Amino acid sequence: NAGVTQTPKFQVLKTGQSMTLQCAQDMNHNSMYWYRQDPGMGLRLIYYSASEGTTDKGEVPNGYNVSRLNKREFSLRLESAAPSQTSVYFCASSEGAASYNSPLHFGNGTRLTVT
Amino acid sequence: SQQGEEDPQALSIQEGENATMNCSYKTSINNLQWYRQNSGRGLVHLILIRSNEREKHSGRLRVTLDTSKKSSSLLITASRAADTASYFCASSFSGGYNKLIFGAGTRLAVHP
Repeated sequence: NAGVTQTPKFQVLKTGQSMTLQCAQDMNHNSMYWYRQDPGMGLRLIYYSASEGTTDKGEVPNGYNVSRLNKREFSLRLESAAPSQTSVYFCASSEGAASYNSPLHFGNGTRLTVT
Repeated sequence: SQQGEEDPQALSIQEGENATMNCSYKTSINNLQWYRQNSGRGLVHLILIRSNEREKHSGRLRVTLDTSKKSSSLLITASRAADTASYFCASSFSGGYNKLIFGAGTRLAVHP
């Protein structure tokens, strides 16, 4: 099993450009998440999807949109990239709700630089 | 913010020594989870401890939870160079459906 797969691994954007980060999981998990990781700040939740067909905002949703395409795939879109969005982005999935004892499984991240 | 906080921020020890990392949180939780992150990789789940549990073991790992002090600790016994990584606690707070709030992490370096 591949687990959680993220593409691309690296990306450089100019300010104002748009892009979509892709995430897919093959564990038949119900819930999926997007986090960003910045130095010294741990991980911050951007958006999550409790189940197919639903999405909700996390701690830092401004500047992002998400799509839960099907049970396997959850994409994150930056419509107009800004330097403040330079970060490492992690996708994760869990069988059930993280708040009810389901651990998260993470992908290896997308390293995004916005110049 | 309901973010947990780890202490210390960085820890440097020799192989064979024990490593203890602490985590504090601010609100009532459903569970608290510990994750490890090797450089350039995603996070890997280590242990989940429920709010009604006080201690949990997994191999060389021991996690304790003190809900009265809103704190948890992760003990790695007989550390190895391969334990070198960052360790994060994540709290699942009551009422925060599907949300885990991560701390800033402890960077552990184990020297041969």
